[in-house]
Amino acid sequence: DAGVIQSPRHEVTEMGQEVTLRCKPISGHDYLFWYRQTMMRGLELLIYFNNNVPIDDSGMPEDRFSAKMPNASFSTLKIQPSEPRDSAVYFCASSHRGTSPNTIYFGEGSWLTVV
Amino acid sequence: AQKITQTQPGMFVQEKEAVTLDCTYDTSDPSYGLFWYKQPSSGEMIFLIYQGSYDQQNATEGRYSLNFQKARKSANLVISASQLGDSAMYFCAMRGGLRDDKIIFGKGTRLHILP
Repeated sequence: DAGVIQSPRHEVTEMGQEVTLRCKPISGHDYLFWYRQTMMRGLELLIYFNNNVPIDDSGMPEDRFSAKMPNASFSTLKIQPSEPRDSAVYFCASSHRGTSPNTIYFGEGSWLTVV
Repeated sequence: AQKITQTQPGMFVQEKEAVTLDCTYDTSDPSYGLFWYKQPSSGEMIFLIYQGSYDQQNATEGRYSLNFQKARKSANLVISASQLGDSAMYFCAMRGGLRDDKIIFGKGTRLHILP
């Protein structure tokens, strides 16, 4: 069974450019989470969806960040315009509430560097 | 609001010794789940163990056990007979019940196993 798939795995972009990170959750999972990991701030929850609907986006740093989930098998996290402080590893994760343990499964992460 | 606290930024342990990684949490939700994840230097997030708030017994998974003390709101991870491959970052996480079912993470503890 395929895990959570993220793309791109690595991206280097110039300040001011638009960045789009993509995620395909595990089939059948009804929750999707976007996290950002940095040395200073650890693992921060940016936003999560339930059944494709955004439930809590209070972790989204500012208006430059947006996330969508147009269907159950795809989500995007967009940064426009990007800034050097956005450099981080961005993880997508998914889960199914009805399973036990009620854990989440992570993708391999998208390593973003903004120069 | 939910909160997870890991007070040990780093630990050094001799190979084959047992290790206890501390985690305390705070929530007003009577139903919640506690998790531990391992992140090796390669960066992936690996699920280790889960404890539900209503579980009567401490969870165990091979060399991992979770010392769950509900009254103290602590969920320490115990690794028995540590191995060099246990060197990694370890994160404690909590998922609330239906009222707040996002998953938040502590800052992590970096574990170094010495030969």
